[in-house]
Amino acid sequence: DGGITQSPKYLFRKEGQNVTLSCEQNLNHDAMYWYRQDPGQGLRLIYYSQIVNDFQKGDIAEGYSVSREKKESFPLTVTSAQKNPTAFYLCASAPDSQETQYFGPGTRLLVL
Amino acid sequence: KNEVEQSPQNLTAQEGEFITINCSYSVGISALHWLQQHPGGGIVSLFMLSSGKKKHGRLIATINIQEKHSSLHITASHPRDSAVYICAGLYNTDKLIFGTGTRLQVFP
Repeated sequence: DGGITQSPKYLFRKEGQNVTLSCEQNLNHDAMYWYRQDPGQGLRLIYYSQIVNDFQKGDIAEGYSVSREKKESFPLTVTSAQKNPTAFYLCASAPDSQETQYFGPGTRLLVL
Repeated sequence: KNEVEQSPQNLTAQEGEFITINCSYSVGISALHWLQQHPGGGIVSLFMLSSGKKKHGRLIATINIQEKHSSLHITASHPRDSAVYICAGLYNTDKLIFGTGTRLQVFP
């Protein structure tokens, strides 16, 4: 089946710990995105990548890092520098930046 | 400031009613997306449009470029339509700016 997957569904982080959220797609899409969703707010762009080995900061990149070593994978690391990481994280992909985006099921991150 | 604003924030309806959700956007947005988010959090893209009107089943999306306004209509609403509907503008041809969503509840 073609699609975009995220893991894990729920993730617990201790303060001061880095965690990595996985995002994989087998749609052969060039563009991939990471968004953060907080209650009562619209999705906000963390990082995006339009092609392998290249990525750009979004509106709220501080405290996050990404890599795009393979076309199908775009992992997001939430570092200890992110002071308020509790949120719902959504990954998306698209054939290119002007096309419809396909969203993964999301990862809910909770800080203990 | 690049903005996308939706109204209403919350909407309740009886099954069978015609529903309209509105979205206004600022200069610099070249296309408008309508998305549906279910209670579990998953998001599905419904429409992307830059002019005119699109229809899929009971869903209709329209856009007025001059007025920078888009609407999502649901005809013959059903309880399974209950979800959060989000509009998002494509800014600078490579980034989406999202509205805060409209929470729709349709009661039988």
